[in-house]
Amino acid sequence: QVQLVQSGSELKKPGASVKVSCTASGHTFTGYTMSWVRQAPGQGLEWMGWINTNSGNPTYAQGFTGRFVFSLDTSVSTAYLQISSLKADDTAIYYCARDTGSLQHWGQGTLVTVSS
Amino acid sequence: DIQMTQSPSTLSASVGDRVTITCRASQSISSWLAWYQQKPGKAPKVLIYKASSLESGVPSRFSGSGSGTEFTLTISSLQPDDFATYFCQQYSSFRTFGQGTKVEIK
Repeated sequence: QVQLVQSGSELKKPGASVKVSCTASGHTFTGYTMSWVRQAPGQGLEWMGWINTNSGNPTYAQGFTGRFVFSLDTSVSTAYLQISSLKADDTAIYYCARDTGSLQHWGQGTLVTVSS
Repeated sequence: DIQMTQSPSTLSASVGDRVTITCRASQSISSWLAWYQQKPGKAPKVLIYKASSLESGVPSRFSGSGSGTEFTLTISSLQPDDFATYFCQQYSSFRTFGQGTKVEIK
């Protein structure tokens, strides 16, 4: 069965960087686009963008350009989200999701907490 | 960018009630709409895709309708397991989520 397993929670100081991983199994990794979704505490879902797992080409939503980078390591079926120059309002749960239009399969989420 | 507006933001209902949630798109998205259920501490789960297609394994009390700019999610008879937050999402142009509807116990 399709599984997306994300890396564990992170506690970072403002100004630091974080890299979240999302490892896929149960399907052909390069056959599906991977989206990233942010959920701030008690808030709704924000689509951050996606990465074409075949070409490696990323697309970023408005508000997620500059400090946010999507990348891949297809040899281990893993997608990555890196956030640099972290701010307090980056505190959120970050999800990866297999994107076929609807987001049928989701990772369990990675909580990133930014606090001094 | 396509904006999605969900209503209501909160809904109080009892077990057995028929519940309807509405989602409006800022421009036509044809039928490129999905509905999700999210429970506290869990990832969202897709219920409906392409506006009215039921995801495998989802109970038949959930249904979706609409096209263009107006969509509804209906729960025909609310069950205890259905108290959760529901989101719509368009996939006509990139992806956008509605702000969510929390279904609470009345």
